[in-house]
Amino acid sequence: GAVVSQHPSWVICKSGTSVKIECRSLDFQATTMFWYRQFPKQSLMLMATSNEGSKATYEQGVEKDKFLINHASLTLSTLTVTSAHPEDSSFYICSARDGNREVTDTQYFGPGTRLTVL
Amino acid sequence: GDSVTQMEGPVTLSEEACLTINCTYTATGYPSLFWYVQYPGEGLQLLLKATKADDKGSNKGFEATYRKETTSFHLEKGSVQVSDSAVYFCALSEFQGAQKLVFGQGTRLTINP
Repeated sequence: GAVVSQHPSWVICKSGTSVKIECRSLDFQATTMFWYRQFPKQSLMLMATSNEGSKATYEQGVEKDKFLINHASLTLSTLTVTSAHPEDSSFYICSARDGNREVTDTQYFGPGTRLTVL
Repeated sequence: GDSVTQMEGPVTLSEEACLTINCTYTATGYPSLFWYVQYPGEGLQLLLKATKADDKGSNKGFEATYRKETTSFHLEKGSVQVSDSAVYFCALSEFQGAQKLVFGQGTRLTINP
């Protein structure tokens, strides 16, 4: 149980285009989802927290208009990188927290999406 | 703000060696503490956790004890295997609120046969 999927697993796009990444909880309802960015050989940096049906909360320094997050259902959150540039190339990882109160402090992670902007 | 510091890697050991990966934290409240593992090509997986002082988390032969007095959560294993090769992340989350995870920088572990 507690599986989180991401799609696509990797994407290459041209500079100036937008890319959408999906994060799905497959066997549980995720009241809260998180989006992280991981640079090579570095740790995960939290970008934003999204709660189903409400606006995402962005961490300091993360551009809201560039990284659009939608959490329209209890099993799906999307991250759209708008007008992507080479510096946006990174590994994007989502996680989801199970709505079960007994395990609310545990996050389940997706496999990540490698974005390369040419 | 809250932060997590891990020992720098990479760490290379021989099979059946003892492992310790140090982790210390800074937090204003009483966080939960976690170790996550990232195997090559895969997403992060929860390895173990502890939610209060003196708790010991354990899984797959790994252990870590929540030490409030030293603000530490060191990961230990008595005899490592080649299959333990991965990147290990120490993390904490706030007890209340959004319970965001704050990660350490990660420690790459390689076990040689």
